[in-house]
Amino acid sequence: GENVEQHPSTLSVQEGDSAVIKCTYSDSASNYFPWYKQELGKGPQLIIDIRSNVGEKKDQRIAVTLNKTAKHFSLHITETQPEDSAVYFCAASMGGDKLVFGAGTILRVKS
Amino acid sequence: KAGVTQTPRYLIKTRGQQVTLSCSPISGHRSVSWYQQTPGQGLQFLFEYFSETQRNKGNFPGRFSGRQFSNSRSEMNVSTLELGDSALYLCASSFPGQGFAGYTFGSGTRLTVV
Repeated sequence: GENVEQHPSTLSVQEGDSAVIKCTYSDSASNYFPWYKQELGKGPQLIIDIRSNVGEKKDQRIAVTLNKTAKHFSLHITETQPEDSAVYFCAASMGGDKLVFGAGTILRVKS
Repeated sequence: KAGVTQTPRYLIKTRGQQVTLSCSPISGHRSVSWYQQTPGQGLQFLFEYFSETQRNKGNFPGRFSGRQFSNSRSEMNVSTLELGDSALYLCASSFPGQGFAGYTFGSGTRLTVV
């Protein structure tokens, strides 16, 4: 079955710096790759997603890149702010089945 | 608009007991999925319901079951609770046809088994 590996498990950055989180998936049939942000006491919230027919997608300070050949995708957050501190999860899906999540990255933005 | 509502928010149960968790999806959402979140295993898929039918099931023992009602509300049940069942149980709902792109998660039910 699908397996998603996520790195790093924790990431500390200075406010204003960029943060990059990377994920690798195992099933080449996967075609949908969302990223979720989970704050304390809340459920995961979708922040950006990308489909397999697109190489990059950007939404303000957040961007996701996908390399289908290498089977990895990355989340890029620029100009980080303290409110970006949270746990971030990547996930992959073959479509209509289930989402398989990475283990999560704790992002700490120091002000 | 109202989000996905999960009740109760917190539960403490004793080993061997059973528990029922509830999930009310966003109005109009007909697909409801359940996930178990633990520090060691992360987010793991339990099952998905659509129009009162279970469409997909994860690799959990038969002690974990669920159902969906005609108004799309869903419940999951765990029988003969074990200490390892302590977790945050999350449900997510979406519109028909949106699949995972429309996933909205609730805040979860924190189950502690003692």
